[in-house]
Amino acid sequence: GNSVTQMEGPVTLSEEAFLTINCTYTATGYPSLFWYVQYPGEGLQLLLKATKADDKGSNKGFEATYRKETTSFHLEKGSVQVSDSAVYFCVLGQNTGFQKLVFGTGTRLLVSP
Amino acid sequence: EAQVTQNPRYLITVTGKKLTVTCSQNMNHEYMSWYRQDPGLGLRQIYYSMNVEVTDKGDVPEGYKVSRKEKRNFPLILESPSPNQTSLYFCASSSGRAPRTDTQYFGPGTRLTVL
Repeated sequence: GNSVTQMEGPVTLSEEAFLTINCTYTATGYPSLFWYVQYPGEGLQLLLKATKADDKGSNKGFEATYRKETTSFHLEKGSVQVSDSAVYFCVLGQNTGFQKLVFGTGTRLLVSP
Repeated sequence: EAQVTQNPRYLITVTGKKLTVTCSQNMNHEYMSWYRQDPGLGLRQIYYSMNVEVTDKGDVPEGYKVSRKEKRNFPLILESPSPNQTSLYFCASSSGRAPRTDTQYFGPGTRLTVL
């Protein structure tokens, strides 16, 4: 079946450091890929998405490229801020008559000043 | 403001005492769903609804019920809660117009503890 594997956390960085959170997937068909972010005490919200191979999603300085050849969708940011501290979920989406989402286990990012 | 609301945000209860967690969205979304979040497991879908009076089981439906009598509301019912249902619960909605690419809008979560 479909699955998403993302790196375990926590990832601890200093402010202005470069961030990479790895995500790989297994899927049949042509899924979309998402990164959702969960700030402390809040629900998940969409950070970015890519709907086909080689698409790059970007938002708030974060980027991720849909790589079909390596089945990956790694999240990157050039310079993290303390306010980026959150849990990041890599998510795979497919149309099965409705949107079927498969979530990774989440990676906690802690950014210190 | 477009939003998904859930109530209560926190709930401590005892085994066997029926409870309902409410969910409401103001975006006229067709699709609504419930997830539970447990450490190391990510989010798992409990139930979903594609429209009024249309509901179906997700990946972990045992011990839960739902109803969709109005488009905006999708309550989650635990008729006889057990300790293994202690979890963080999220309601989500989306337009349903583009199932493969839709953005899901999540509520703030309900932290449930069953003693």
